[in-house]
Amino acid sequence: AQSVAQPEDQVNVAEGNPLTVKCTYSVSGNPYLFWYVQYPNRGLQFLLKYITGDNLVKGSYGFEAEFNKSQTSFHLKKPSALVSDSALYFCAVRDDNYGQNFVFGPGTRLSVLP
Amino acid sequence: DSGVTQTPKHLITATGQRVTLRCSPRSGDLSVYWYQQSLDQGLQFLIQYYNGEERAKGNILERFSAQQFPDLHSELNLSSLELGDSALYFCASSPQQDYEQYFGPGTRLTVT
Repeated sequence: AQSVAQPEDQVNVAEGNPLTVKCTYSVSGNPYLFWYVQYPNRGLQFLLKYITGDNLVKGSYGFEAEFNKSQTSFHLKKPSALVSDSALYFCAVRDDNYGQNFVFGPGTRLSVLP
Repeated sequence: DSGVTQTPKHLITATGQRVTLRCSPRSGDLSVYWYQQSLDQGLQFLIQYYNGEERAKGNILERFSAQQFPDLHSELNLSSLELGDSALYFCASSPQQDYEQYFGPGTRLTVT
C-alpha cells in the first residue's frame, strides 16, 4: 500500500528566506502527488500536483515542488517566504495500483517569522 | 471559497447517537471524498464516490456509511457514536478521479 512521510513536524523560516517542506512517498505503481495547505479553522486548499511530465511543478502562491523518482521525494519549495505562508502543509499520494485511495502525510506546520 | 459546502458547521451530540453530515460538491464535480481529521490520527481518507457509485474505501468504520445522490450531493452517516469519533469531517470534490480535490470547510463533530 502507498504511504507518505513528512519528516518534519515543524519548519521555521525567516521572512524573505527560501523555504522547503519535505515529503517522501512509497508506492508500488506510478505516483500521483499533491500538496495542500490548511489555514486555521479552514479546509485544505490545493497548491499543486504532479501526475506526469516535468519534474518541477509550479503551483499557487509562488510555490513549486520537485518530483524526484530516485529519491521518492516531492519537496515543496518557495524562493522567498511570507509571514502569510504560515500554515499546515500536507503532502498526499495516490498509487495508480491501488485505485482511488488517497493517503495524506501527517502534515508539517510552517512558521514564517517576521 | 472552494465551492464545496458542508452542513452543519458544528454538531454536538451524545454517545450512542446517530448523525448525518451533508456535502454539496462544486458544480460539475462528479467525485466526492470524505475525510476525518483528528489530532492523534491526522487526516484519514474514509470513502469516495464517483457519479453515485462507491469507488474507494479507506479507514471507514462499519458504524459509518455514506452515499451520493443523483444530484451528486453526498451524506455521511455516523451511528452508535463514541467519544473517539469527535473530529473534523471534511468533504472534498473533484471533476474526475485523478484531479486535485477541493475541500469544504468541514463539520466539527463533538461527541459528549
